[in-house]
Amino acid sequence: DADVTQTPRNRITKTGKRIMLECSQTKGHDRMYWYRQDPGLGLRLIYYSFDVKDINKGEISDGYSVSRQAQAKFSLSLESAIPNQTALYFCATSPIAGGTDEQFFGPGTRLTVL
Amino acid sequence: KNEVEQSPQNLTAQEGEFITINCSYSVGISALHWLQQHPGGGIVSLFMLSSGKKKHGRLIATINIQEKHSSLHITASHPRDSAVYICAVKGLQGAQKLVFGQGTRLTINP
Repeated sequence: DADVTQTPRNRITKTGKRIMLECSQTKGHDRMYWYRQDPGLGLRLIYYSFDVKDINKGEISDGYSVSRQAQAKFSLSLESAIPNQTALYFCATSPIAGGTDEQFFGPGTRLTVL
Repeated sequence: KNEVEQSPQNLTAQEGEFITINCSYSVGISALHWLQQHPGGGIVSLFMLSSGKKKHGRLIATINIQEKHSSLHITASHPRDSAVYICAVKGLQGAQKLVFGQGTRLTINP
């Protein structure tokens, strides 16, 4: 069984729609992250959370919001989707121990906004 | 200028060749990561290092902290090594996140 799962894996939606991407993990890690990946660009951090009561903006948080419902769940929402949010979205987790941020990635969600 | 630069951006080689992918960064770091992204999109961590050299099978990662440079080497390359290889760094004390390079797309032809 996958340790970090994302749903849905693919989604096509229209401009203006509200979209939620969900991430669940069974690794027991406290830290969770949402990234987006665009062709030719590196992974960019949208939001991250170091525990259930902790939410932090990343470098490209505008247009997105998150919810950390439990240690194991971290959801990303697009309140009103726009075409330039078409991208591959990854959730990742990391343990606190070690402090070097080794990250474990989910399989990704391919989002297309028409 | 990006904090993390990888070269080359694209690399095509024949099976069996020795491969080198480079990563240069401009900030002080506590750790550097090499990750692999397969054509299906999944990303896995290959190495995490803060000094010296690490080896896993045919993969070798080295880092020179003074020169702010790391290399990923693949010996006896195989078509299944075809993937995007990503370098990421974590800054010094207090840094909360990784900064990623843009990736190097490697294609190994049979």
